[in-house]
Amino acid sequence: NAGVTQTPKFQVLKTGQSMTLQCAQDMNHNSMYWYRQDPGMGLRLIYYSASEGTTDKGEVPNGYNVSRLNKREFSLRLESAAPSQTSVYFCATALTSSYEQYFGPGTRLTVT
Amino acid sequence: DAKTTQPPSMDCAEGRAANLPCNHSTISGNEYVYWYRQIHSQGPQYIIHGLKNNETNEMASLIITEDRKSSTLILPHATLRDTAVYYCIAWANRDDKIIFGKGTRLHILP
Repeated sequence: NAGVTQTPKFQVLKTGQSMTLQCAQDMNHNSMYWYRQDPGMGLRLIYYSASEGTTDKGEVPNGYNVSRLNKREFSLRLESAAPSQTSVYFCATALTSSYEQYFGPGTRLTVT
Repeated sequence: DAKTTQPPSMDCAEGRAANLPCNHSTISGNEYVYWYRQIHSQGPQYIIHGLKNNETNEMASLIITEDRKSSTLILPHATLRDTAVYYCIAWANRDDKIIFGKGTRLHILP
């Protein structure tokens, strides 16, 4: 049981480049989330998917898009990366949106 | 803004009980108190949650005051591996945004 996996673990992008962060879970959870964490700060919700086929904006959605590919996978896309998007990105899952969340190990993204 | 207030940091001696306070004076009647922790740069880890009654599991105990305006997370026998940032969150268990504040950085001293 891998739990929640994220790829890649590290990434360096130049301003304007695009990339997709991948998240997969084998916990058979319905809800999935993307957060970002800036140095010394708490987590901020970017987007979430309460169930397969639905996505909603969180606290800081600008500059990002998401796709809930199937029940297992939830991807986060940066279309045109900016230095302000340098952060650690965490994916999380929950049985449903009413239950506690389980987090992946994170993707450390630097935009130069 | 976070609905909870926590001290930015605390120290605790190894082997002693660590008591982490949290104020949530504006908590709504349907909001639970959740605790997570984040060790170093790992993803946050769920610890415990409660509504009104005190709760205990294999990791910790949660004491909620009768008026629900504050709570305390208790790690009964702290070890060096409990060094982490601890987040207290008020959340209504529905399609609602969880707000992680800055948490309390707990240092376990050998």
